[in-house]
Formats: sequence, C-alpha cells, structure tokens
Amino acid sequence: GAGVSQTPSNKVTEKGKYVELRCDPISGHTALYWYRQSLGQGPEFLIYFQGTGAADDSGLPNDRFFAVRPEGSVSTLKIQRTERGDSAVYLCASSLMAGSSPLHFGNGTRLTVT
Amino acid sequence: AQKVTQAQTEISVVEKEDVTLDCVYETRDTTYYLFWYKQPPSGELVFLIRRNSFDEQNEISGRYSWNFQKSTSSFNFTITASQVVDSAVYFCALTQGGSEKLVFGKGTKLTVNP
Repeated sequence: GAGVSQTPSNKVTEKGKYVELRCDPISGHTALYWYRQSLGQGPEFLIYFQGTGAADDSGLPNDRFFAVRPEGSVSTLKIQRTERGDSAVYLCASSLMAGSSPLHFGNGTRLTVT
Repeated sequence: AQKVTQAQTEISVVEKEDVTLDCVYETRDTTYYLFWYKQPPSGELVFLIRRNSFDEQNEISGRYSWNFQKSTSSFNFTITASQVVDSAVYFCALTQGGSEKLVFGKGTKLTVNP
C-alpha cells in the first residue's frame, strides 16, 4: 500500500490475555518505529528497528512488551499478560532510513484492555 | 533529560484569524532536532517540519510559519488566515542528534470555527 498499515485498527482484550499488533511499513523503508499514545497525551517512544534488529528498545515499559521484525519489513508488537494500563493507541511509523525524516505514521491500533 | 512543553491545551479561533502555537523545549545537547506534527481527527500523525539546532532561520511554507529562538528555547508555529481544515491536534517534538527517539509534547488542540 501507499502508507503505513496497522492491523487491527481496534482490539479489545481481557486483562491477562496476550495480544499482537501488526505494522506493515512503506515499501523500501528500512527504519520502523513503535510509539504509544494515551488519551490526551503525546506519543511515547517504545522501540525502533533499523532493518531486522532493534536499535533502541529503551522505551519498552517492561518485559511484557516485545517487538520483532524478522525480515526487515513487517513488525509485530507483542504484549503478554495485558493490564488495563496498557490501553492506548499504538502507533507505528517508518522512514526511508534512520536519520532521515519525515517519519510516516500509520493510523494506529486502539487497544482496550477490559 | 529532554522535555517539550506545549502550554496551550486547547485553542479556539474563528476562520481567517491568525493563530500561534507555542512550544518550549529543554535539552542539554548542543545538537538536536525540533519537529511539528499535525494529528487530524483521523488519527494519523502528519509531519510538518524539521529544524536542526544550528539553523535558526525562520521558515515559511504557505500559510504556515515557524519561529525558532534558541535564546528562549522556543519553536513556535503560526498559522496565518486559519481555515476549518486546520482543526487538529498539533504536536511539537524533539530528538537529540544521533538518536531516533522523538520526545513529544502533550499537544495543542486547535479548533477553527467557520
């Protein structure tokens, strides 16, 4: 597609369940980013990939959060034992390469943990 | 630590008015980048501008202009002759040189009324 695609657009899950959020970046973009946006707040950095490797995962809040990008394209953000505090919009962005802007953001996945 | 402050939570104007969105930043780095993003109701963050810390020239792009003042650590954004389509949440963001981690402010919600 032309832009960053995120699926699902909405996800409702019960506390304690496992969820996976998918991001399909713009074709040819080597850098991929995950951010989390809570209501009324700006996005918060989670993790960034350059190619297949996580170049900076310092924003992941704890070890329940994990992300992969095995082939350097699609990325999956995985959250184990979800908590109500994990409810937020999870945004993915990509750029041609790290250090180049702009970041192109997807529409996000709205995660609700009940 | 890096921090971005957008003191204006919400602004409401009437179409054709000029409006300035304030952004104040904190960083100890001498090399950094400042950004503005627009988030319309659809949710997708749209890149507007990037400015590096060594370039204090003001920039104009159509109805948009940006005023970067290192002396006051501010990077303000002005929309001239506002239009209803400008209604959105606007985020100011900062990243240090060599880092891909964007630090966002909390955003300013702009409503332009016809």
